[in-house]
Amino acid sequence: GENVEQHPSTLSVQEGDSAVIKCTYSDSASNYFPWYKQELGKRPQLIIDIRSNVGEKKDQRIAVTLNKTAKHFSLHITETQPEDSAVYFCAASSDGGSYIPTFGRGTSLIVHP
Amino acid sequence: GAVVSQHPSWVICKSGTSVKIECRSLDFQATTMFWYRQFPKQSLMLMATSNEGSKATYEQGVEKDKFLINHASLTLSTLTVTSAHPEDSSFYICSASSRVVGEKLFFGSGTQLSVL
Repeated sequence: GENVEQHPSTLSVQEGDSAVIKCTYSDSASNYFPWYKQELGKRPQLIIDIRSNVGEKKDQRIAVTLNKTAKHFSLHITETQPEDSAVYFCAASSDGGSYIPTFGRGTSLIVHP
Repeated sequence: GAVVSQHPSWVICKSGTSVKIECRSLDFQATTMFWYRQFPKQSLMLMATSNEGSKATYEQGVEKDKFLINHASLTLSTLTVTSAHPEDSSFYICSASSRVVGEKLFFGSGTQLSVL
């Protein structure tokens, strides 16, 4: 089955800095890679996703890059703000697997004002 | 986006009692619903996948007789924790998907279960 590794487990940055979270996956059949943001005690919210037919996608301060050859994808947050503080999860899934996602372990992002 | 409602948001119960958690898709028909368990500061652990009208598929290590899942309609799935014990205390989250929304998952708000 799919295995998703996520690093780092904790990331502390100053407000205004950039934050990068990296994930690797094992199943070359995976073709859909969402990122979720989860605030304490709340539901995960989809913040950005990317399909395997593109290498990069951007939405305002958030971007995701995908390297299919190396089987890794990354989340980039620029100009971080305190409200970006949360746990971020990456996931990988495929249409062949009915898009049942395998989640990474999560990264706790702390943005210091 | 699609809305998934989950109730209750928190529940405290005595050891040995059963607790039912409901997950509803409010504005779309969910052909598939997923149930996750999440421990503090840890990732989402898939417990089972349920398709409307059929038996749930449980992940390895999850006791199907303890965690009863019913997906009776395209908008409702329930998780019943039977004979709950303190070790069952956790955050339980459902999510739903459908062919209409494709590969995207939409999560319920979660249920914090505390078993005394």
